[in-house]
Amino acid sequence: AQSVTQLGSHVSVSEGALVLLRCNYSSSVPPYLFWYVQYPNQGLQLLLKYTSAATLVKGINGFEAEFKKSETSFHLTKPSAHMSDAAEYFCAVSAPNDYKLSFGAGTTVTVRA
Amino acid sequence: NAGVTQTPKFQVLKTGQSMTLQCAQDMNHNSMYWYRQDPGMGLRLIYYSASEGTTDKGEVPNGYNVSRLNKREFSLRLESAAPSQTSVYFCASSEKGPHTEAFFGQGTRLTVV
Repeated sequence: AQSVTQLGSHVSVSEGALVLLRCNYSSSVPPYLFWYVQYPNQGLQLLLKYTSAATLVKGINGFEAEFKKSETSFHLTKPSAHMSDAAEYFCAVSAPNDYKLSFGAGTTVTVRA
Repeated sequence: NAGVTQTPKFQVLKTGQSMTLQCAQDMNHNSMYWYRQDPGMGLRLIYYSASEGTTDKGEVPNGYNVSRLNKREFSLRLESAAPSQTSVYFCASSEKGPHTEAFFGQGTRLTVV
């Protein structure tokens, strides 16, 4: 079975500072990994995904994530936070041919002016 | 292009009442999903439909039933609502399983009193 653990339920950053959201996964097979973002009172939308191609994945809105097999991690970063990045972020994992996309508990990001 | 549309957006039920949550997608996707979102627990898969004519249980199926009415529509039914089913429910669809991008509806906020 696949699962993800997001470290830190809440992250607060200053505008212009680095955003780092941590995700570790557990999977018995090479996983597919995703980051989704949820703005208040909305559904989730895909930021980026890893599907066994390049280990450094670039997504929308300046976010990127690096797949590190040795550390079983898929941390999300953005060099410079913007006020519009305030949202909840979810890491998710699935296995090839498995329809169960498993989500982490989420990390809420607040951005200070 | 509406994407994934869920109805209703809000609902209050009394314990023991039944209701059906509706979901429709206009992207010609094969796979559809129902999730529930609870604070601190991320999203948990209730049921999914890999393709038209098939449905399968997810992580938390007890107390729910689903119907894949056609390729566009996937409904979730609560036969006898319980307070533990108070949650935000999300429908999602993807072209061919969760390793392809999942598109989410805006959610249904359900309260069972």
